[in-house]
Amino acid sequence: DSGVTQTPKHLITATGQRVTLRCSPRSGDLSVYWYQQSLDQGLQFLIQYYNGEERAKGNILERFSAQQFPDLHSELNLSSLELGDSALYFCASRPSAGGAFSDTQYFGPGTRLTVL
Amino acid sequence: AQSVTQPDIHITVSEGASLELRCNYSYGATPYLFWYVQSPGQGLQLLLKYFSGDTLVQGIKGFEAEFKRSQSSFNLRKPSVHWSDAAEYFCAVVIERGSTLGRLYFGRGTQLTVWP
Repeated sequence: DSGVTQTPKHLITATGQRVTLRCSPRSGDLSVYWYQQSLDQGLQFLIQYYNGEERAKGNILERFSAQQFPDLHSELNLSSLELGDSALYFCASRPSAGGAFSDTQYFGPGTRLTVL
Repeated sequence: AQSVTQPDIHITVSEGASLELRCNYSYGATPYLFWYVQSPGQGLQLLLKYFSGDTLVQGIKGFEAEFKRSQSSFNLRKPSVHWSDAAEYFCAVVIERGSTLGRLYFGRGTQLTVWP
């Protein structure tokens, strides 16, 4: 158990819909990363938040957005869903203490999104 | 182009045989290097990592990896494979070493099948 939790575990929805994926990082971890795993693209970085602020963006579609809340949990919002958005979405958190960052990320179990 | 390459998509070994999974990277400077394992229906678990120092690193579950700067490689090895090692293995790098960014870039993965 990595200490990172994600809900829901599975999500089935229809094209055009909007969903929200939730991630709770390990206790005290300020950085949250979102990754998408698909057959076409493999595992790719989507977006990073650090202590409530967006830090970096990867190959994230404009239809997707994320935020990190004061309690440090994060949500990934996917809208106008297309068949190609079906994938496994991972959240990861990264420890930092005393201003120093660990370069190790700990992954949650993922949310499997199926768009029909 | 910057990349992480895992040349073997699928490897099959017999239980008790040795294993080597290949990983090459193509970046200007030596990145931080990681191996993650993903069992069916599970998240990503960190096996081992290399930041600096001794080029042979030990990980969990009896795995080790060797960093070779001259070959830009970070191959994963195990002397004797167990049936429970059947999973998908991902090599990953962090190129923004020690920064607040630290996003992971992944290879496409190697699927390991173990014959009894």
